[in-house]
Amino acid sequence: DIVMTQSPDSLAVSLGERATINCKSSQSLLYSNNKNYLAWYQQKPGQPPKLLIDWASTRVFGVPDRFSGSVSGTDFTLTITSLQAEDVAVYYCQQYYLTPRTFGQGTKLEIK
Amino acid sequence: DVQLVESGGGLVQPGGSLRLSCVGSGFIFNSFGMNWVRQAPGKGLEWISYISGSSDKIYYADSVRGRFTISRDDSENSLYLQMNSLRVEDTAIYYCGKDGGSTWYQGGPQEDWGQGTLVTVST
Repeated sequence: DIVMTQSPDSLAVSLGERATINCKSSQSLLYSNNKNYLAWYQQKPGQPPKLLIDWASTRVFGVPDRFSGSVSGTDFTLTITSLQAEDVAVYYCQQYYLTPRTFGQGTKLEIK
Repeated sequence: DVQLVESGGGLVQPGGSLRLSCVGSGFIFNSFGMNWVRQAPGKGLEWISYISGSSDKIYYADSVRGRFTISRDDSENSLYLQMNSLRVEDTAIYYCGKDGGSTWYQGGPQEDWGQGTLVTVST
């Protein structure tokens, strides 16, 4: 199975500052179509996950542009510029390249 | 708008069975792959099963293979998860999730999710 390792496990950032969450996959997620099969989700308490980013760097329609995704090899990053109070949540990365689709363990983002 | 509504959760004893349902609306149901993802209380997300839009590809996580069966009835816009031989560690909220397309490599990740249904396995 592909192992997805997120860091850090938790993060406290001041309002208006940048938050960076990392996710490393145990193998390449790059398919022959030149797409990385990596998604980022946001989950708030009592709610289902919400898809923010797919294909490693494509922001889903309606997601604020302060959210962005990037990739370097098997290292993936979710960046939130100018943190807002409503961004407090747990963030998960997920690979959908191979079965089983595996998630990272989650990163809890809080306000400092 | 896309809507997914799960049902069928509840309290069951170890070794028992449950059948979860997920009804979709607001999209052409048979054009999309569908998934079940679960979340144990206070824990992270675990993908457990996928079925393609044409039902020709079905995949399971090792933790449920041989005990759970995913199926779909496109005439009813419904996705199902038959869960047998339930264990205490199967206790979780079960979410259905709709992919962005019909097949594994074309479809993308789960882009829409239901609110989930709670399954509790306990004596």
